[in-house]
Amino acid sequence: GENVEQHPSTLSVQEGDSAVIKCTYSDSASNYFPWYKQELGKRPQLIIDIRSNVGEKKDQRIAVTLNKTAKHFSLHITETQPEDSAVYFCAATFQIYNQGGKLIFGQGTELSVKP
Amino acid sequence: GAVVSQHPSWVICKSGTSVKIECRSLDFQATTMFWYRQFPKQSLMLMATSNEGSKATYEQGVEKDKFLINHASLTLSTLTVTSAHPEDSSFYICSARDQRNSGNTIYFGEGSWLTVV
Repeated sequence: GENVEQHPSTLSVQEGDSAVIKCTYSDSASNYFPWYKQELGKRPQLIIDIRSNVGEKKDQRIAVTLNKTAKHFSLHITETQPEDSAVYFCAATFQIYNQGGKLIFGQGTELSVKP
Repeated sequence: GAVVSQHPSWVICKSGTSVKIECRSLDFQATTMFWYRQFPKQSLMLMATSNEGSKATYEQGVEKDKFLINHASLTLSTLTVTSAHPEDSSFYICSARDQRNSGNTIYFGEGSWLTVV
């Protein structure tokens, strides 16, 4: 079935350390993998995404890696700051015939960066 | 980036009444929009895919007669929660796909907090 698994559910790091969040997906046809940051009561904010024709993408302190063979992708945040504290969600597209893909979300990771 | 607007931001309704939430793509046309529900401290759960000019596609376990979706134009999709009950209280959020310039980015609305009393 359509499934995205995300780990860990909570992550606490010291300011300046790195944080890694991992996700696996079930459909080998998935081709788009965004990561979102969500603050309480607000819409998810896209922070980085990767498509299936790329293995890695980096944007300043944030990077995402994709292993299509293993069907998993990871978010890496380096030099973490207290303002990085939030809930992070991974997502993957699952195809709808003739309608493009629908996004299915992982369970979320609550990241806490301690000063 | 593209803008998706959702209204109302929050609504309180009495049990048994219906409430409508609107999702608009402000600067692009969206043939496909998506409706999610998010309970506190949980993930976004896809409820249905809204297709312009045709019936919505509902996810397994979502009652189509209770959550009515209409996508009558390329910029507007509505979700109506019929005969709402307290257990329907949740954060409802829509998203729309921007397919301009061969892109496929999905943008989210601000979300709507529904409280049924």
